[in-house]
Amino acid sequence: DVKVTQSSRYLVKRTGEKVFLECVQDMDHENMFWYRQDPGLGLRLIYFSYDVKMKEKGDIPEGYSVSREKKERFSLILESASTNQTSMYLCASTTGITREQYFGPGTRLTVT
Amino acid sequence: GENVEQHPSTLSVQEGDSAVIKCTYSDSASNYFPWYKQELGKRPQLIIDIRSNVGEKKDQRIAVTLNKTAKHFSLHITETQPEDSAVYFCAASAFGNEKLTFGTGTRLTIIP
Repeated sequence: DVKVTQSSRYLVKRTGEKVFLECVQDMDHENMFWYRQDPGLGLRLIYFSYDVKMKEKGDIPEGYSVSREKKERFSLILESASTNQTSMYLCASTTGITREQYFGPGTRLTVT
Repeated sequence: GENVEQHPSTLSVQEGDSAVIKCTYSDSASNYFPWYKQELGKRPQLIIDIRSNVGEKKDQRIAVTLNKTAKHFSLHITETQPEDSAVYFCAASAFGNEKLTFGTGTRLTIIP
């Protein structure tokens, strides 16, 4: 059974802080994704990675960076958090064979 | 890039009736169309998907239809039950591209 975990369910940070969100999957999936979910806007792709140390920008990469040093771990970094980055952040992974994306439980980030 | 539009944004249906959610896509190269269900407070999960080589796929009470000429696909839920209440997301991607473009979601409420 695929398991995707995220480091925090809830996080409160101050404007200007550096924020790290971590995602870990245990199924040896090649592809990993970071989305943000906002009401009425659906799931929007921030960044994705198809291999260790490889990354590609999604639809809304501004203000974010990512790191993938190990296959099972994909980190999202907010270099200087702003209030407009208050959102639900979802991580997902997939093998690319079945194409089904397995999501983590999400991190609700509030920037004050 | 791909653009996916989803309608309606909210849908209320009497228990036992059918529900239909529609999506259109813009990229003619898209060939994979999954549907995800997100219950309140839970992570999105794949419920059904269709590839462009078929026009319809069924799984018990849910079905998806695809019209490649018109670039639209639909989710049909028959004999709705209270546990069908959730937000549903459609998505699209092209062959060899693991990146999914999601619609903005439909909040389905089943009225007992």
